Amino acid sequence: EPEVTQTPSHQVTQMGQEVILRCVPISNHLYFYWYRQILGQKVEFLVSFYNNEISEKSEIFDDQFSVERPDGSNFTLKIRSTKLEDSAMYFCASSKDRGGYEQYFGPGTRLTVT
Amino acid sequence: KQEVTQIPAALSVPEGENLVLNCSFTDSAIYNLQWFRQDPGKGLTSLLLIQSSQREQTSGRLNASLDKSSGRSTLYIAASQPGDSATYLCAVSPDILTGGGNKLTFGTGTQLKVEL
Repeated sequence: EPEVTQTPSHQVTQMGQEVILRCVPISNHLYFYWYRQILGQKVEFLVSFYNNEISEKSEIFDDQFSVERPDGSNFTLKIRSTKLEDSAMYFCASSKDRGGYEQYFGPGTRLTVT
Repeated sequence: KQEVTQIPAALSVPEGENLVLNCSFTDSAIYNLQWFRQDPGKGLTSLLLIQSSQREQTSGRLNASLDKSSGRSTLYIAASQPGDSATYLCAVSPDILTGGGNKLTFGTGTQLKVEL
């Protein structure tokens, strides 16, 4: 069964460093998402991406964040200058299209900023 | 702003019991509702998706109902097993006809423990 994959599973970085989180969505899906979950808190939406551009973003997704689909399979989230409060589990998700299709989530990348 | 609440926050039941998890949302203008399972430190596994036009959806021992007008959904788990122990999350997506996007708004989850 097709699944969303994410690398790395755990990333430790120092405050102020840039990190890139990688995701491979399900191959025939057109809509891609990033969510995050701070320990003990709700899963929060960050950004959705469709047709090579951002479709929607939350107030969390400020200028420090960017997303890219560098090739036909990968989808990345970059944090330019990490802060302690960026420590969280980051989930990538994909869906066949917009309009109520089921979203499938990857296993997540645990980001620890020290 | 959509708010999603799940009750109870935690639940412990003996194996074999039938149980109900509750989810409520403040804005009834939703497109669909999804139930997920999350194991500790792991990703989210989609269990059921209910479109706003549906009342019910079933998968194996799981049955989810949706009452959109009252802003409520329930997840019924029949004959619970220790392997069902996990956190269960519900999430709603906004109605695209009212200009909503595709983002999911999640509840805080119900942590379920099924004991032998």
